[in-house]
This record gives sequence, C-alpha cells and structure tokens, in this order.
Amino acid sequence: EVQLLESGGSLVQPGGSLRLSCAASGFIFRNYAMSWVRQAPGKGLEWVAGISGSGAGTFYADSVQGRLTISRDNSKNTLFLQMSSLSAEDTAVYYCAKGKGQQVVLDSWGQGTPVTVSS
Amino acid sequence: IQMTQSPSTLSASVGDRVTITCRASQSINNWLAWYQQKPGKAPKVLIYKASSLESGVPSRFSGSGSGTEFTLTISGLQPDDFATYYCQQYNDYPSTFGQGTKVEIK
Repeated sequence: EVQLLESGGSLVQPGGSLRLSCAASGFIFRNYAMSWVRQAPGKGLEWVAGISGSGAGTFYADSVQGRLTISRDNSKNTLFLQMSSLSAEDTAVYYCAKGKGQQVVLDSWGQGTPVTVSS
Repeated sequence: IQMTQSPSTLSASVGDRVTITCRASQSINNWLAWYQQKPGKAPKVLIYKASSLESGVPSRFSGSGSGTEFTLTISGLQPDDFATYYCQQYNDYPSTFGQGTKVEIK
C-alpha cells in the first residue's frame, strides 16, 4: 500500500523559511515523479512543484519560482520542499503526491501538512 | 496554461446525470485529469488522459474531450459523490488546476 506522510508544517513569520518532508513507502520511490500541491484555506488546489524520479528534472509554478525548492533523497525514500521568503500568500495545507510513472497525474496523496505564515 | 471550469457550483439530486466542463487556454491534447475532493481530505484521481478511468473508480464517472474542451460526467449521482471536482492539465509545466466545481445536494 502506498503511503505518503508529510511533516514539517508550522507557524512561521513573514520572510521566514521552512522545510517540508514527505516520507514515502509501499512503492519503488525512485521510479516515480513526485509533486507538491497546496491548498489555501477555503480555496482550490495549486500545483507548486514537481520533480522527476531521478531528481534531475525540477519544475515550479510561476508563483513560487525562486523561493521554493523541491528535492528528493531516493536512498531514504523522502521528498522535500525548502521554502524561503515566505509571505501570507503561502499559507496553505501542503500535500505531497505521487505521479503515475513520470507523469504529473497524481494517483496517491498524503494527508497534508499545514503551513501558516503570520506575525 | 489556464484551466477554467464551469459551473463553479452545481445543485443536483441523487440519480441525476451531472456534467462539468473544463476549458484550457491552449491545446493540451488529451493530457487532462479529474479529481474529487471531500472536505478535510486529500484529492482522489478519477480520470486521467481525458477519458481513462482510474482503477477502483466507479464506472458512473466518465471523461471526454481533447484539445481545449473537456467534460466530466457522473451518470446517476450517488450520495457519496457530493464533493468538489477539479480538472488538471499536465500537457506542460507548470501543471495547473481548474478552480473547482462544487456539487451540492439540491
């Protein structure tokens, strides 16, 4: 059974940084693209970043380019999202999601980790 | 690529046939997925590649379309289907979602 367990979400001040983690199990992690998707309170889904199975390819939404960095450690089956220069607009639940092969069809999701940016 | 769903909200009764439309700002071929999300839960994929049914998803869900216009149809709405539905294009990075369609009980 595929399991994705996010951690690292918390309350952070504007301008601050945060690192989210997603521990994966139940599948061969290195064979699948992964993504982070966020959802602001009461709002819709926003795809923010994706990474290929090898980690060689990384992709970002325009709204986070240069501030968020996606990475993965295939030896530890873990996905990361390094977040910097955070603002209130980054307040959201952040979901880790597994791609269908190398595609960005997201067929398994974690439970989400909340990030609140506020002073 | 911008994805626009219509309607934003839909009121329907159990047993109704429901159709949700998703339009892309440029051609995405058939690289489109549909997701269902219930309050407080992670989304669940229903359809990918515009019309392929994800394993385990009931056959009352179907998808169609190509290019810039797509539809999700629920044939015979069930109580468990009241939720918010999103389309997503994955033809090009960055991937983008529609704004969502909430299916409410009439």
